[in-house]
Amino acid sequence: GNSVTQMEGPVTLSEEAFLTINCTYTATGYPSLFWYVQYPGEGLQLLLKATKADDKGSNKGFEATYRKETTSFHLEKGSVQVSDSAVYFCALRRYHEGRRALTFGSGTRLQVQP
Amino acid sequence: KAGVTQTPRYLIKTRGQQVTLSCSPISGHRSVSWYQQTPGQGLQFLFEYFSETQRNKGNFPGRFSGRQFSNSRSEMNVSTLELGDSALYLCASSPMDGPSSYEQYFGPGTRLTVT
Repeated sequence: GNSVTQMEGPVTLSEEAFLTINCTYTATGYPSLFWYVQYPGEGLQLLLKATKADDKGSNKGFEATYRKETTSFHLEKGSVQVSDSAVYFCALRRYHEGRRALTFGSGTRLQVQP
Repeated sequence: KAGVTQTPRYLIKTRGQQVTLSCSPISGHRSVSWYQQTPGQGLQFLFEYFSETQRNKGNFPGRFSGRQFSNSRSEMNVSTLELGDSALYLCASSPMDGPSSYEQYFGPGTRLTVT
C-alpha cells in the first residue's frame, strides 16, 4: 500500500537558519505529493504541491522537488522565521478512479527560536 | 471565498453515546473527505463523499458513518462512542474539476473528547 515516512521531530532551529525536513514515500504509479502545515489549534493548510516527477512546488519561501528516482519530496526553506513554528505533514495522493484520499506522514514539529 | 467550516469546534461526550459532526465545504466544491487525527495514529482517512454517495472508505469500524446532502454539506456520525474515539476530526473539500481537482482544503476541525 501507500505510505509516507517523515523525519522525527522536533526540529529546533534558530531564526534565519536553513530548514530541511525529509520525506520519502512508497506508492505504485505516479502519486501527487503535498506538504501541509498545521499551526496550534488549527486545521491543515496546503503549503505546496507537485504532481509529476521533477516538479518543484514552492510557496512562502518553502520549496520541495518531486524526486521519483529517490521517491522523496524533502521540504526546504532558506531562512526560517519564528512564525514558521508549526507541524509539517508530507502527504501523497495516488490517483485511482478519481478518489482523493490522502496518505499522511506522521508529521514533523518545527520550533524556531528567536 | 469562505473556507471549510466545521461545527461544533469542541465536543465532550461520554462512552456509549453517539455524536454527529457537520462540515460545510468551500462554495463550489463537491467532494468532502473526513480524517481522524490522534497523537498515536496520526492522520487517518475515514471516507469521501461526492454527489451524495460514499466513494471511498478508510479502515474504520461500522460505528463511523457519514452522509452528504445535495448542497454538498456533509455530516459524520459516530455511534457507541469509545474512549479511543477522542480525536480531532478534520473535514476537507475538493473541487471536482479544474487544475486544483486533486487538492484538498481542510477545515479547522472538531475536537471530540470522550469521557
